[in-house]
Parts: sequence; C-alpha cells; structure tokens
Amino acid sequence: GENVEQHPSTLSVQEGDSAVIKCTYSDSASNYFPWYKQELGKRPQLIIDIRSNVGEKKDQRIAVTLNKTAKHFSLHITETQPEDSAVYFCAVNAGGTSYGKLTFGQGTILTVHP
Amino acid sequence: GAVVSQHPSWVICKSGTSVKIECRSLDFQATTMFWYRQFPKQSLMLMATSNEGSKATYEQGVEKDKFLINHASLTLSTLTVTSAHPEDSSFYICSASHDRGSGGQETQYFGPGTRLLVL
Repeated sequence: GENVEQHPSTLSVQEGDSAVIKCTYSDSASNYFPWYKQELGKRPQLIIDIRSNVGEKKDQRIAVTLNKTAKHFSLHITETQPEDSAVYFCAVNAGGTSYGKLTFGQGTILTVHP
Repeated sequence: GAVVSQHPSWVICKSGTSVKIECRSLDFQATTMFWYRQFPKQSLMLMATSNEGSKATYEQGVEKDKFLINHASLTLSTLTVTSAHPEDSSFYICSASHDRGSGGQETQYFGPGTRLLVL
C-alpha cells in the first residue's frame, strides 16, 4: 500500500517567518495531494490541494509544490501568524482507484511564536 | 457549502455495549464516505470506505463484524461499534466526497468527529 512520510514532526517558528513541511510518497499512480490543518479537538480542514497536472499552487500565504518525479510535495506558509499554530497533515490518494481513498502523513505540529 | 455533520459529538458507554455514530452530508450528495480513527497525538487512520448502496470496504486489520458500516443514502452513513471495549476508545471522524468523475481526486470534507470513551 501507499507509504507517506511527513517531516518535520514538530516545527517552531517566529511570527512572520516562513514554514515548510515536506511529504514523500511511494505510489507513482497517486495524483491528488491535499493538505489539512487540524486544531486541537477539531476536525481536519482542507487548506490547499494539488493535482498532478500542476507543479505548484498558491492561495494567499499558502502554497504547495509537487515533484512527481521525486514523489514529494511540500506545504509553504509565508508570513506566519500565531493562528497558524496547529497540526498539519499531508495526504495522498490511492492512485488508479475511483473512490479517492487517502493515506495521511504522520502530522506536523506547527507552533508560531508571537 | 460542503458541510458534514456527525452525531453524537461525544459518548461514554459501558464495556460490552454498542454505539452508533451518524455521519451526514448536509448540502451535497456524498457518493463515498470514509471512516477514520484518530488516537491522541496521532494521525488519521482509515478504517473503511463506504459507498451508497454497497458494502463497505475495510482496511487491513479492521474487523468488519466489530465496526459495522451502513451507507443507506447519499447523505447518511453510520458506524456502529459493537461490543465496545476500553481499547476502542478513540476519536472517530467521518469524511464525505462527491464523485465528479475525476478518478479519485475528489476533495474529502470531514465531520467534527465523535469522541468515544468506553469504561
């Protein structure tokens, strides 16, 4: 099955700095890569996603880059704010299926210090 | 749009009892629903994939007779934890997606989760 590795497990930055989280995956047929933000005790919220026909996608302070050849993708958050503090999960779909089953990374605890 | 609700939000039960959790898509038709379990400080682990009108597909290691899933309509899926034991205590989260023919690239929208504590 799909193997997803996410790094780092914890990330601490100062407000205004950038944060980068990276995920690698194993199934070359995977073609959908979402990122979710989960605050303590809450549901995961989709913050950005990318499909394999593009290499980069940006939404205000958040961007995702994808390297299909190397099988890795990264989340970039610029001008971080304290409210960005949360756990971030990458996910990868099961390529070649029609139901979109996702495998999640281990998560990154991001702390933004004021 | 794309709101998913879950009920109950938390439940405490005695060991040996069964607990039913409902997952509803409020403003879209969910052709597929997924059930996850999340232990404290851990990632989401997929338990099963549920398609409306057909049997659920369970992940390896998940007992289908213990975790009964029913997807009776395009807006409702239920997970029943049968004969619950303390080790079943966890955060159970559902998600829902609508098949738009993009071959598994559909966005999943998550419910708020159900916290289960088995005494």
